[in-house]
Amino acid sequence: SQQGEEDPQALSIQEGENATMNCSYKTSINNLQWYRQNSGRGLVHLILIRSNEREKHSGRLRVTLDTSKKSSSLLITASRAADTASYFCATDARGYSTLTFGKGTMLLVSP
Amino acid sequence: KAGVTQTPRYLIKTRGQQVTLSCSPISGHRSVSWYQQTPGQGLQFLFEYFSETQRNKGNFPGRFSGRQFSNSRSEMNVSTLELGDSALYLCASSSRPGQGLVDYGYTFGSGTRLTVV
Repeated sequence: SQQGEEDPQALSIQEGENATMNCSYKTSINNLQWYRQNSGRGLVHLILIRSNEREKHSGRLRVTLDTSKKSSSLLITASRAADTASYFCATDARGYSTLTFGKGTMLLVSP
Repeated sequence: KAGVTQTPRYLIKTRGQQVTLSCSPISGHRSVSWYQQTPGQGLQFLFEYFSETQRNKGNFPGRFSGRQFSNSRSEMNVSTLELGDSALYLCASSSRPGQGLVDYGYTFGSGTRLTVV
């Protein structure tokens, strides 16, 4: 079953704009991760945030985590056409060593 | 270093047949997990192996099975294929087992796209 639910399902922006994607989950987690997938290819790990962290940055990526609301957001600043992809959040439930994925947000960045 | 290698990239099979997919993890990684991705169900966990032992299994019928070899390479097998088994099958590797397994993120292969006709 899906643990995470991304919002929005699809997002279309212009190059240079910021893109924000949200993820909600249902159970307690050890950490939350964001992945990118280009055109049905493999998943690329973007960033991991632990349950005791509230915010994390990596290059143009900023992730926040609110465990009280069971939600996370991914911000991509100054988007580029190459950022066009599907983005998935994935949670690791406490005590397990597998990932539960949301259904993803499709991001389209137009030149 | 080389990434996670999945073979074959594409596969077309007929209903009722069986199929075997292969995954070679990153050198030194001993944990391999498999995921199925379909438009309807999204990404779903199949199973996880560490040191040739299955540690976790997802909610899939017994037609789905897997194994891991001493060199950490893993195979998954689907018997008596059904149309609904058409999917992208992704393999991921990591260096550490247990709860620490996902502390550093998985490295995924490019997947095997299986089409059942």
